[in-house]
Amino acid sequence: DTAVSQTPKYLVTQMGNDKSIKCEQNLGHDTMYWYKQDSKKFLKIMFSYNNKELIINETVPNRFSPKSPDKAHLNLHINSLELGDSAVYFCASRRRGQTSTDTQYFGPGTRLTVL
Amino acid sequence: GENVEQHPSTLSVQEGDSAVIKCTYSDSASNYFPWYKQELGKRPQLIIDIRSNVGEKKDQRIAVTLNKTAKHFSLHITETQPEDSAVYFCAASKTSGTYKYIFGTGTRLKVLA
Repeated sequence: DTAVSQTPKYLVTQMGNDKSIKCEQNLGHDTMYWYKQDSKKFLKIMFSYNNKELIINETVPNRFSPKSPDKAHLNLHINSLELGDSAVYFCASRRRGQTSTDTQYFGPGTRLTVL
Repeated sequence: GENVEQHPSTLSVQEGDSAVIKCTYSDSASNYFPWYKQELGKRPQLIIDIRSNVGEKKDQRIAVTLNKTAKHFSLHITETQPEDSAVYFCAASKTSGTYKYIFGTGTRLKVLA
């Protein structure tokens, strides 16, 4: 159950602050994702990295910057936090290129609350 | 653009009855269709998936059907139990390129005891 882990689990902060969320997977996967889940439960892809290369970059404010130091880690840094950034952020990973394993595995989520 | 529609948004059934959730996708090149279950406060977890070369797949009380021509796929849960209560998401993906999942908007299933 800890194959994809995220820290912190909860993050409460003031508007205007800068914060980071970290994600790590120990599944040997080479593709990682960040999703945002809002209060209506919609799951929206934000970014994806494959082997440290950015391959998906949806229409996300440039206050959000992902960073992948290696295949097992994908962090999300958010500058100048706004009220609308409050959501649950999920990291996910998969092994790309193996058709038998197209499944994405999700981390436990980080609930971000901006006051 | 790519889109997945999911219906209904909420579904209440009596324990023991069946539940059906339907999804329609727009990209005819999609060839992988997973279903995720998300319990309150938890992560989405895969419960079943189907590829485009298969029309139906079953795993105990859950089954998924796929109609490629109509670009529809459905989740069927039989003999529902209270622990089936959760939000269910369908998704469509291509197993090439960016492997991006396009998620449906979710169905909140309540199984009434």
